Amino acid sequence: DSGVTQTPKHLITATGQRVTLRCSPRSGDLSVYWYQQSLDQGLQFLIHYYNGEERAKGNILERFSAQQFPDLHSELNLSSLELGDSALYFCASSRTSGGSTDTQYFGPGTRLTVL
Amino acid sequence: GQQVMQIPQYQHVQEGEDFTTYCNSSTTLSNIQWYKQRPGGHPVFLIQLVKSGEVKKQKRLTFQFGEAKKNSSLHITATQTTDVGTYFCARTSYDKVIFGPGTSLSVIP
Repeated sequence: DSGVTQTPKHLITATGQRVTLRCSPRSGDLSVYWYQQSLDQGLQFLIHYYNGEERAKGNILERFSAQQFPDLHSELNLSSLELGDSALYFCASSRTSGGSTDTQYFGPGTRLTVL
Repeated sequence: GQQVMQIPQYQHVQEGEDFTTYCNSSTTLSNIQWYKQRPGGHPVFLIQLVKSGEVKKQKRLTFQFGEAKKNSSLHITATQTTDVGTYFCARTSYDKVIFGPGTSLSVIP
């Protein structure tokens, strides 16, 4: 158990819908990262928040958005869902703002299925 | 420019054989991290390398960072069925973390 929690574990929805994925980082961690992992694909970095502020964006679609709240939990919002958005979504947390010495701890992931 | 490549994509070994995966970058890396993801699981941090030529060992796992800091390798001696999974290398760059595509290891008992 990494100490990072993600809800829900599974989510099944239809095309065109909007969903929200939630992540609670480890106690004391200020950074939250979001990743998308499609079937047989690697981990695609989406976005990084540190202490409530956006720090970096990766391959995140305009239909997706995220935020980190004062209690440091984070939410990833996915809208106008398409079949291709079906994937595992992981969040990870780390102690500091990133950089070269920070270790990431991954949550168990949310499996999103778009029908 | 920021991508990291990994080879091989897949590796099937007999239990007891050795295994090596390689991570390569076209640009100099400030660091390299290695993660393992078991089937159905989430990535788990294994180690971080920072110094040129660095070698670190964890039991049967040996991690190396190239002298030019453009490549890294993970070597497993005498694989066991518990080593099954996908091994990812990752680089950090300006608050982003870029993962390689991973090497999927199968161990035949």
